[in-house]
Amino acid sequence: GQQVMQIPQYQHVQEGEDFTTYCNSSTTLSNIQWYKQRPGGHPVFLIQLVKSGEVKKQKRLTFQFGEAKKNSSLHITATQTTDVGTYFCAGRRAAGNKLTFGGGTRVLVKP
Amino acid sequence: GAGVSQSPRYKVAKRGQDVALRCDPISGHVSLFWYQQALGQGPEFLTYFQNEAQLDKSGLPSDRFFAERPEGSVSTLKIQRTQQEDSAVYLCASSFSDRPQHFGDGTRLSIL
Repeated sequence: GQQVMQIPQYQHVQEGEDFTTYCNSSTTLSNIQWYKQRPGGHPVFLIQLVKSGEVKKQKRLTFQFGEAKKNSSLHITATQTTDVGTYFCAGRRAAGNKLTFGGGTRVLVKP
Repeated sequence: GAGVSQSPRYKVAKRGQDVALRCDPISGHVSLFWYQQALGQGPEFLTYFQNEAQLDKSGLPSDRFFAERPEGSVSTLKIQRTQQEDSAVYLCASSFSDRPQHFGDGTRLSIL
């Protein structure tokens, strides 16, 4: 079946630094979504990427969808303590509405 | 309500008991999803409804798991003869068609 992998599993970042988390699917995706889950909370939708090579920005967050529509990345610049949480990518295949989530990248920020 | 509502927030049951978890989606959302999230893991798909029709139940781990959405709104996930490995957070999400999913706060299920 479809698998979605995320690396790294953990990311310890000094406040103010940049980092990138990566997402790879075993199959071609129709779209990919990113969610953020704060400790004790539920996943909250951040963004959806649909087109091959698409790049979208949300303030300090930059999301990219690979040319082959099998991988994606999230880059955060000037990390803040409010960025703490787990970032999940979730891929959707062409058929159906099912989302397959990656294992997430847990981000800890050192002040 | 404004968001997806799940109840109860916490459920403790003894091994072998049956449990029922409720999800009240955002009004007007035709799509409803159930996920299981183990500690430190990403949500794992269980099942998907479009209105009252269960279109995909490929993620249900065994025939002890059963979900229904009889009137196309509220959904119930039932687990029969619970086992310790069923302990997890059960998340419900709803969406309008293929739009992004909105998650509830989940039910944390602990099986003793």
